[in-house]
Amino acid sequence: GNSVTQMEGPVTLSEEAFLTINCTYTATGYPSLFWYVQYPGEGLQLLLKATKADDKGSNKGFEATYRKETTSFHLEKGSVQVSDSAVYFCAHLTNAGNMLTFGGGTRLMVKP
Amino acid sequence: EAQVTQNPRYLITVTGKKLTVTCSQNMNHEYMSWYRQDPGLGLRQIYYSMNVEVTDKGDVPEGYKVSRKEKRNFPLILESPSPNQTSLYFCASSLHSAGTEAFFGQGTRLTVV
Repeated sequence: GNSVTQMEGPVTLSEEAFLTINCTYTATGYPSLFWYVQYPGEGLQLLLKATKADDKGSNKGFEATYRKETTSFHLEKGSVQVSDSAVYFCAHLTNAGNMLTFGGGTRLMVKP
Repeated sequence: EAQVTQNPRYLITVTGKKLTVTCSQNMNHEYMSWYRQDPGLGLRQIYYSMNVEVTDKGDVPEGYKVSRKEKRNFPLILESPSPNQTSLYFCASSLHSAGTEAFFGQGTRLTVV
């Protein structure tokens, strides 16, 4: 069936460190892929998306590339800031594009 | 300001007492959905609506009802809440479908005792 698997957190980094959060998926075909971010006490916000293979989504210094060979969409950032501390969710479209399936979320903690 | 508004933000209730969580969006979005968020499980979709009077089950619809009589409102109804429905609930809306950017409400933390 459809599923999204993310690395378990929490991920704890020092400011300016390099970030990678792994995400792999199982799905029929090549669905659009998303990263959403949830800051403390808030709802989710779209961070970036990619709609087809080899697309790279980017926003606020974050990047993720749609890799159909490895069915992955890993999130990266070259230099994290304390303000990046949040929970990050990977997701893909399912049910003929009518639903989003989310991973379990990865908590990122960035220390000064 | 464009937003999705849920009410209440916090609710403690007893088993079996019917409750409704309201959700309203002011962006004229066609697509609306409800999720529950539980530790380690991420967000799971309860119900969604492609437009007025069109609703469909998500992955975990048991114990919930929804209605979409107007475009802006999408209430979540628990006819007989049980403790396993204790969770953090989010309403979201998108312009056309799940593939367009979803805007989330701030969440409703429900505790059923």
